[in-house]
Amino acid sequence: DTGVSQDPRHKITKRGQNVTFRCDPISEHNRLYWYRQTLGQGPEFLTYFQNEAQLEKSRLLSDRFSAERPKGSFSTLEIQRTEQGDSAMYLCASSAEEGYEQYFGPGTRLTVT
Amino acid sequence: GNSVTQMEGPVTLSEEAFLTINCTYTATGYPSLFWYVQYPGEGLQLLLKATKADDKGSNKGFEATYRKETTSFHLEKGSVQVSDSAVYFCAPSYSSASKIIFGSGTRLSIRP
Repeated sequence: DTGVSQDPRHKITKRGQNVTFRCDPISEHNRLYWYRQTLGQGPEFLTYFQNEAQLEKSRLLSDRFSAERPKGSFSTLEIQRTEQGDSAMYLCASSAEEGYEQYFGPGTRLTVT
Repeated sequence: GNSVTQMEGPVTLSEEAFLTINCTYTATGYPSLFWYVQYPGEGLQLLLKATKADDKGSNKGFEATYRKETTSFHLEKGSVQVSDSAVYFCAPSYSSASKIIFGSGTRLSIRP
């Protein structure tokens, strides 16, 4: 298994543009999580899926953010009308069961200019 | 809500020194407890875990014991190496939600 992968690794966009990130979890993991990490801080939870169902969303996930996991495998995170405050590292993680450790991908670094 | 507090950094030590990074968590239910590490330029990696009271997690010479009575999960290593330089995150996972709550991280630098 190659672990959790994310694409792209880096994204630079202008304010107001839409961006989409992709995450491919470890193949047998049914839970998938998105976190956001800003410089000097720990990751903050955004949302998670069990299979294709989105079970929880953080209040950090404003209406401009949407996440999907249509077939219970890969997931996408879209940010519409990006703002400079959206600049951060977006991390994806997957796990096999509730309470088990989560395995993180390398992250997508978003810079909004 | 649930939260975690860990020692603020940066922490700078000489090689072979003893390391302690303090961590306390909110005592709601019985969370699983993790330490994650982020080496320069790399992604988050699980360092060790403990899932119930008095469990000791260990890996790469690091240890942490799940102390329910003090709601603590302090990270220790007897003799640090330059290669241990990284940011360390204490992270409980409360079973009701399964998300992980991360501390702010402690940056550790080891001098040769």
